[in-house]
Amino acid sequence: EPEVTQTPSHQVTQMGQEVILRCVPISNHLYFYWYRQILGQKVEFLVSFYNNEISEKSEIFDDQFSVERPDGSNFTLKIRSTKLEDSAMYFCASSPNGGRDGYEQYFGPGTRLTVT
Amino acid sequence: GENVEQHPSTLSVQEGDSAVIKCTYSDSASNYFPWYKQELGKRPQLIIDIRSNVGEKKDQRIAVTLNKTAKHFSLHITETQPEDSAVYFCAAIAGANSKLTFGKGITLSVRP
Repeated sequence: EPEVTQTPSHQVTQMGQEVILRCVPISNHLYFYWYRQILGQKVEFLVSFYNNEISEKSEIFDDQFSVERPDGSNFTLKIRSTKLEDSAMYFCASSPNGGRDGYEQYFGPGTRLTVT
Repeated sequence: GENVEQHPSTLSVQEGDSAVIKCTYSDSASNYFPWYKQELGKRPQLIIDIRSNVGEKKDQRIAVTLNKTAKHFSLHITETQPEDSAVYFCAAIAGANSKLTFGKGITLSVRP
């Protein structure tokens, strides 16, 4: 069964450094998402991406964040200058059709980002 | 925007008993309600979902019910087993957007 994959599984970085988190969505899916989960808290939406552009972003997704689909398979989240509060588990998700009718979103295993 | 509430934060049941987890939502335009199970350190795993044109859906030992008038939906697990122990998140998608709004999660413990 196809799955969303993410790399790396764990990333440790120093405050102020740039990080890029990578995701390979399920191949025939059209909608892509990033969510984050601070330890012990709920999963929070960051951004959705469709047709090579951002569909929606949350207030968390400020100018320090960007997303890109550099080729036909990868979907990346970049944080330009990391802060301590960016420490969280970052999940990528994909959906065959995330539109109005609401379709299943499948989550990757996550990247644990630790900012020191 | 949508707000999903999930109470209580923990639930403990005896193996073999049933467990019911309830969520409420605020946006009447919400039309899709998935439930995710998350084991420690792992990804949220979709276990069942329901769309707003259906009142109930069942898959083996799990079922989900939706009350659109009261804006709440529930997860029912029958004949609970120790491997059902996990954090369960309810979520909702409102209207034309496709982002999931999650509840805070409930930790289900099944005592052997």
